[in-house]
Amino acid sequence: AQKITQTQPGMFVQEKEAVTLDCTYDTSDPSYGLFWYKQPSSGEMIFLIYQGSYDQQNATEGRYSLNFQKARKSANLVISASQLGDSAMYFCAMREGRGFGNEKLTFGTGTRLTIIP
Amino acid sequence: SQTIHQWPATLVQPVGSPLSLECTVEGTSNPNLYWYRQAAGRGLQLLFYSVGIGQISSEVPQNLSASRPQDRQFILSSKKLLLSDSGFYLCAWSRPRQPEAFFGQGTRLTVV
Repeated sequence: AQKITQTQPGMFVQEKEAVTLDCTYDTSDPSYGLFWYKQPSSGEMIFLIYQGSYDQQNATEGRYSLNFQKARKSANLVISASQLGDSAMYFCAMREGRGFGNEKLTFGTGTRLTIIP
Repeated sequence: SQTIHQWPATLVQPVGSPLSLECTVEGTSNPNLYWYRQAAGRGLQLLFYSVGIGQISSEVPQNLSASRPQDRQFILSSKKLLLSDSGFYLCAWSRPRQPEAFFGQGTRLTVV
C-alpha cells in the first residue's frame, strides 16, 4: 500500500487565489512527521512546512499552512494568495517513528501546480 | 549556516561505465545523509542513508552502492551502469532527531 498518496497529478490556479494540494498518508506508527517540499524546474527540493503527529495546532509558515486532519490521515497544503513563482512540483512526505536513524522520508508522487496570470 | 554541495549537475555515461557522485555538507557535524533517486515524473525513492562514518543502510536492492568516508561526505557509486540507472539523484542531510531534510541541487544522470 502507498504510504503517501497525492491524487492530483496537476492543478491550474489563477494568480492570487488560494490553492489546496491534497495528501493522505498511511501509518500505524503513533509518532510521525509530515512534510511538504517544493521542486521548481531547477530540480532542487525546497522544504516548506512540517507537522508533527503530536502537534496540537496546524503548522503555518508565511503563505503556507498545513491542514492536518489526523483522524482522516490527511495533511493538505494550503497556499494563500498564490503567485507565479509558486508554479512547481509539490511533494508530500512522511517520516515514521522518532528513533535515532529513522529520519528517512517517504515521498508521494507529487502534484504539478501551475499558476495562471 | 549549513550548505550542501552535490556534483556534477549533469552527467551522461555509457552503459557499463563506472559512476561516482559526491555530496558534501558544510557547517554542521555528524549529519544524517541520504541519497534519493527521482525517476522522470515521479516522486523520490530513498536509496541509501547513513547516520555516521562507515554506516550505510540500503533501502532497495540495486546496482548502486554508497560510502561515507568522512563525516560530511557521502558518495554514490556503481561499478557498471545500467540504462535503468538513469534519473535525477538528490543528496540530502538532516540533523539527528530533527525533522527537516535539506537537499542538494541534484545530479541528472543519463545512461546511454
